[in-house]
Amino acid sequence: DTEVTQTPKHLVMGMTNKKSLKCEQHMGHRAMYWYKQKAKKPPELMFVYSYEKLSINESVPSRFSPECPNSSLLNLHLHALQPEDSALYLCASSQDPRRAGYNSPLHFGNGTRLTVT
Amino acid sequence: EDKVVQSPLSLVVHEGDTVTLNCSYEVTNFRSLLWYKQEKKAPTFLFMLTSSGIEKKSGRLSSILDKKELFSILNITATQTGDSAIYLCAVGVNSGGSNYKLTFGKGTLLTVNP
Repeated sequence: DTEVTQTPKHLVMGMTNKKSLKCEQHMGHRAMYWYKQKAKKPPELMFVYSYEKLSINESVPSRFSPECPNSSLLNLHLHALQPEDSALYLCASSQDPRRAGYNSPLHFGNGTRLTVT
Repeated sequence: EDKVVQSPLSLVVHEGDTVTLNCSYEVTNFRSLLWYKQEKKAPTFLFMLTSSGIEKKSGRLSSILDKKELFSILNITATQTGDSAIYLCAVGVNSGGSNYKLTFGKGTLLTVNP
């Protein structure tokens, strides 16, 4: 188990549903990330939050809406998804955005396996 | 566009063998290179490399970075069946201000047979 907790572990939703993915860490990390991973592919960056502010949006469609209510929590709100959005959604955190890349690796959660029907 | 290329894409060995996994990169604003091991779920962190020529070791695993030639290798000695996994190489870049992001390679699928 990792120190980054994601819920739910599995989610099946229809194309008209609204759902949310949740991520929590209590390591005092101030950068949090959403990645999407399709089968047999590497993780692809979606969003980065730095000190609870959205700092990177990798041109993600608006049907994905991130939210960072506080330094420990990260949500991903889903609405009107397509079947091709089915994937493993990984949350990650790193210690200090200003030092990220020098002494602050990303730590990943176990992911939410999302299926859109 | 940032590129991270891993080779081989897959590898099958027998227990006890030594393996070397390769990662080359072409990126702007390089800050670090990271290795992760992914079994069924979360990628788990192995190494972070920021300086050339300094080997990092953890048990049977070791890794080194060459910033001049833009590559890294991950060595695993005396492989065990539990080493079977996808090994991901990721390069961290500064994408403006204090923003940092990882670009992953496609991974090497390592299978260790008993």
